[in-house]
Amino acid sequence: AQSVTQPDIHITVSEGASLELRCNYSYGATPYLFWYVQSPGQGLQLLLKYFSGDTLVQGIKGFEAEFKRSQSSFNLRKPSVHWSDAAEYFCAVGADNTDKLIFGTGTRLQVFP
Amino acid sequence: AAGVIQSPRHLIKEKRETATLKCYPIPRHDTVYWYQQGPGQDPQFLISFYEKMQSDKGSIPDRFSAQQFSDYHSELNMSSLELGDSALYFCASSFGLAGSTDTQYFGPGTRLTVL
Repeated sequence: AQSVTQPDIHITVSEGASLELRCNYSYGATPYLFWYVQSPGQGLQLLLKYFSGDTLVQGIKGFEAEFKRSQSSFNLRKPSVHWSDAAEYFCAVGADNTDKLIFGTGTRLQVFP
Repeated sequence: AAGVIQSPRHLIKEKRETATLKCYPIPRHDTVYWYQQGPGQDPQFLISFYEKMQSDKGSIPDRFSAQQFSDYHSELNMSSLELGDSALYFCASSFGLAGSTDTQYFGPGTRLTVL
């Protein structure tokens, strides 16, 4: 069965610092991977997705993620964090023959000025 | 660009009451998905519909039912509400029947509080 692990429950960074949020997945075939961001009381906004092809994908708001099959990882990165990036970040995996996205437990990002 | 619309945004109900949540997908999207996100939890898939037919089913309680109408909007009906049903309910939509391999666009959610 597919699963997603986000090892970091809470991360705190200073504004302007670089960021990496970790995501590991478990799935036998090539997964479909997504990163969503959720601001407090808000819905889920898609940051980026990986289906196939180039393993480094660019998303909105200056985010990027790299798919590493050998490590079963899809880590999210941003070179310089802004205070408005403070939110909850969810990694999710989709698979063939099912409609559901399986989400990780989320990483809460706090940004200090 | 138009997004997924959910109504109401907030709903307060008593135990054992019923609730109906509505979802209006992005125009031309024909697939809708429902997710439940408990406090401090990740979203859990409930059910999905494609072209008005149930497409996939997750951990949806028997007390809940849903349907998709001819205009592609969907309604989630919840009966005999329990305290544990208090959660944020998301609807998402996509185009086509690729399921979780498609990009699902999420609405803002309906926050249900059961007292």
